[in-house]
Formats: sequence, C-alpha cells, structure tokens
Amino acid sequence: GQSLEQPSEVTAVEGAIVQINCTYQTSGFYGLSWYQQHDGGAPTFLSYNALDGLEETGRFSSFLSRSDSYGYLLLQELQMKDSASYFCAVGNNAGNMLTFGGGTRLMVKP
Amino acid sequence: DTEVTQTPKHLVMGMTNKKSLKCEQHMGHRAMYWYKQKAKKPPELMFVYSYEKLSINESVPSRFSPECPNSSLLNLHLHALQPEDSALYLCASSQDPGDRQFFGPGTRLTVL
Repeated sequence: GQSLEQPSEVTAVEGAIVQINCTYQTSGFYGLSWYQQHDGGAPTFLSYNALDGLEETGRFSSFLSRSDSYGYLLLQELQMKDSASYFCAVGNNAGNMLTFGGGTRLMVKP
Repeated sequence: DTEVTQTPKHLVMGMTNKKSLKCEQHMGHRAMYWYKQKAKKPPELMFVYSYEKLSINESVPSRFSPECPNSSLLNLHLHALQPEDSALYLCASSQDPGDRQFFGPGTRLTVL
C-alpha cells in the first residue's frame, strides 16, 4: 500500500519562509506532487518532482529525496493569500492513481 | 486549453432524483479521475479511467455510476443518493496514469 505523512497545521508570518515536509511509503515510485487548496475551492497543482533535487516555480519550490522517501514544499515571501491547505501526493507506476497525504493547513498571520 | 471544466458548479438533489455530473478536458490527457472530498479532508479517489477504460473502482456504491463517452469527457451518474453523499465532487486528468493531476473546479453536491 501507499501512505504519506505531513504536518496537520503550520503557522507563519507574512514575508517569512515556511517548509512543509512530506514522508511517504510506496512501491514503484512515480513522482511526488503538491497541491494548494483554498477553503471552498478545488486543489490546484503547484509543483512536481520525479527525480531528486529542487524544482523552483516562482515563490514555491519543491524538493525530493527518493532514497529518504521524503520531500518538502518551500514557500518564500509568504503572503496572506497563501493561507490554504497543502497536499502532497505520490504516484506509483504499478497503478493508475495518486495517494494524497492528509493535508497541511497553513495559516499566514500579519 | 489547459483546464478541466466541470458542470454544474452546485447541485441540490433529493434522494429519489437522478442527476449527472460532467467533466471535460482538452489537454489530450489519457487518464481521468473522479474524487469525493469532505470538508477538511483530502480528496478520496472514486474512479480512474485510463485510455477511456475503467481501471480503478475504489469500492464505490452502485448509486454512483461513471461513464467515459470519449477521451475528453467523463460523466458521473447519480441515483438514489443518501444525505451522507453530500460533498465536493472533483474531476481530474493527467497525461499518464499516476502522473501529476489537474483538477476541475468541482461540483458542490447537497443531497436532501
């Protein structure tokens, strides 16, 4: 089976940097992806890692270490609008699906 | 076109009604998905279509019936739902099965 662990809540101040960690267990790793979801909205794709290392997309970066079954999402220059839930999800090449972590609720304070 | 569209945005139905949710993507993606999401929970996979064929049915009750008329369209037919089926229903697509997914805006379903 597959499982993911991420913190349930993180609080940070505007302008700061925050890192959301994700550890996973899977067979046949395909890739680790990150999604943002605001209350009442749908998940939106943020970042994806299939290989080890850092992927940067504007203020958001994602990191993967396959040997450690670990990844993180880094959010820089936090803004109030970044307050949302963030999900990591892992795909495997044996199936046709993503498995989602429980989500991390990020609260950005002034 | 880089988006997934879903209709309707909101749906209220009684337990005896029959309704359908619709999803469309024009990104040439080969896999399409239906998820159910309750408040403050992650999306819960219901069905996966891979190359227009149903590849995964996550033990979903038969009152939910998926249909994939072609590679761009995905429907979810609803019949005799229960109040506990009230949730946000999300459609997603990906280039290949297991790849990163792109979600539609969802249908907020209320069953009375």
